[in-house]
Amino acid sequence: DQQVKQNSPSLSVQEGRISILNCDYTNSMFDYFLWYKKYPAEGPTFLISISSIKDKNEDGRFTVFLNKSAKHLSLHIVPSQPGDSAVYFCAASGQGAQKLVFGQGTRLTINP
Amino acid sequence: KAGVTQTPRYLIKTRGQQVTLSCSPISGHRSVSWYQQTPGQGLQFLFEYFSETQRNKGNFPGRFSGRQFSNSRSEMNVSTLELGDSALYLCASSRGYQETQYFGPGTRLLVL
Repeated sequence: DQQVKQNSPSLSVQEGRISILNCDYTNSMFDYFLWYKKYPAEGPTFLISISSIKDKNEDGRFTVFLNKSAKHLSLHIVPSQPGDSAVYFCAASGQGAQKLVFGQGTRLTINP
Repeated sequence: KAGVTQTPRYLIKTRGQQVTLSCSPISGHRSVSWYQQTPGQGLQFLFEYFSETQRNKGNFPGRFSGRQFSNSRSEMNVSTLELGDSALYLCASSRGYQETQYFGPGTRLLVL
C-alpha cells in the first residue's frame, strides 16, 4: 500500500514558466511534508518543507501548498530554470516518528 | 558546516558476504536515519537512531542492522548478502523529530 503517491512519472516545462509537481497521500496521521530534489547516484537535496498547521510555505522560487482535506500537496517552481531538471520526491512523516515515506518521484525536465 | 558523509561510496560484494557502511552526521545532529533506494521499490526507510538508541525500524529482514555511537556516527550492517540487496544506501541526519533530514551522497552497493 503506497501511502505517498506521485502520479506523474515525468514532466516537461519550458524555461521561465511555472513547474507544478503534485503529490497525494493516504495516511491522515502524516503531519510533516518535504520536497527533495535528486540527481542520479547522489543523495536527495532538501528543497522545502511544510507542517500540517500551515497550508503554504515559500522559499525563493519554491512554494509548497498543502490541502489537508484533499490529502494533496504541490510544489511550484517559478520561474523554472535548466538547473531545476532532476527527479523530485515528496516525503511525509508523522505519528511521532522520524521515518520518511517517499513518493516514487517525478522527473522534471526544463527545456530551453 | 560539513554535510553528511558516507563511506565507502562504492562497494562490490558477492552473495553470502556481509558489509558495513558508515555515516557521519552533520555536527550537532543526533538523529541518523538509513534508507535504501532501488529502481523497483524506490526510497525505503530502514531504521532511525537517536542518542545511540534505535527508535524506528522499517520492514526489512533481520539481516539488516545498525548502530549509533556516542559521537552520533552510525553504521549499518547487512549480513548474508543477496542479489536483491544491490542498491544505493542513503544516510540522513537531523536535529530531531520533525526537523529536516539532510542526506549524504550514499553508498552504492553491488552484490554479484
